[in-house]
Amino acid sequence: DAKTTQPTSMDCAEGRAANLPCNHSTISGNEYVYWYRQIHSQGPQYIIHGLKNNETNEMASLIITEDRKSSTLILPHATLRDTAVYYCTRGSYGQNFVFGPGTRLSVLP
Amino acid sequence: DTGVSQDPRHKITKRGQNVTFRCDPISEHNRLYWYRQTLGQGPEFLTYFQNEAQLEKSRLLSDRFSAERPKGSFSTLEIQRTEQGDSAMYLCASSLIRDQETQYFGPGTRLLVL
Repeated sequence: DAKTTQPTSMDCAEGRAANLPCNHSTISGNEYVYWYRQIHSQGPQYIIHGLKNNETNEMASLIITEDRKSSTLILPHATLRDTAVYYCTRGSYGQNFVFGPGTRLSVLP
Repeated sequence: DTGVSQDPRHKITKRGQNVTFRCDPISEHNRLYWYRQTLGQGPEFLTYFQNEAQLEKSRLLSDRFSAERPKGSFSTLEIQRTEQGDSAMYLCASSLIRDQETQYFGPGTRLLVL
């Protein structure tokens, strides 16, 4: 049970925004939403996380719905190097991450 | 580079042999995790340590697997009597408790059992 669901794959044109959705309808009040990505043959790379407010850092923005049942990771200007598998997961203090198969994002030239 | 490091990066072994992997976490990170990842799947949790104490083990961690973190710094994961089904990427991650449990992953050790 991955506890989050994501589309299997998505395409995005280079230079455009990539919007990756994640459903976490059973999330608990103290669980954060985390996003990671994994480029082929490398370890997962932390992107961003949030509890209930929208968050932004140098890599991406995270939009969490008011009911916290879903979120969207936004890469504002996707580049070819953003092609990767993106994982949405959730967790809180002392809880281990459960990863699903993620979304395979292909950024197309 | 002060990230999580893992050694070796690749290991090929014959069925029945023992293998040991090492993970060096980010300095001062008190939690250390081991995951396993097979092709096309996300990482699966195996076990984690808080300092030197092993606090949780997944049922995926059969009795052929053992992990240690003797001084609360680096950790080792040993697989005894390897089987072909053990072929996978073994990932290590570390976190600092007060950092909202953000886990930072190493590059992984890719194991192939022939």
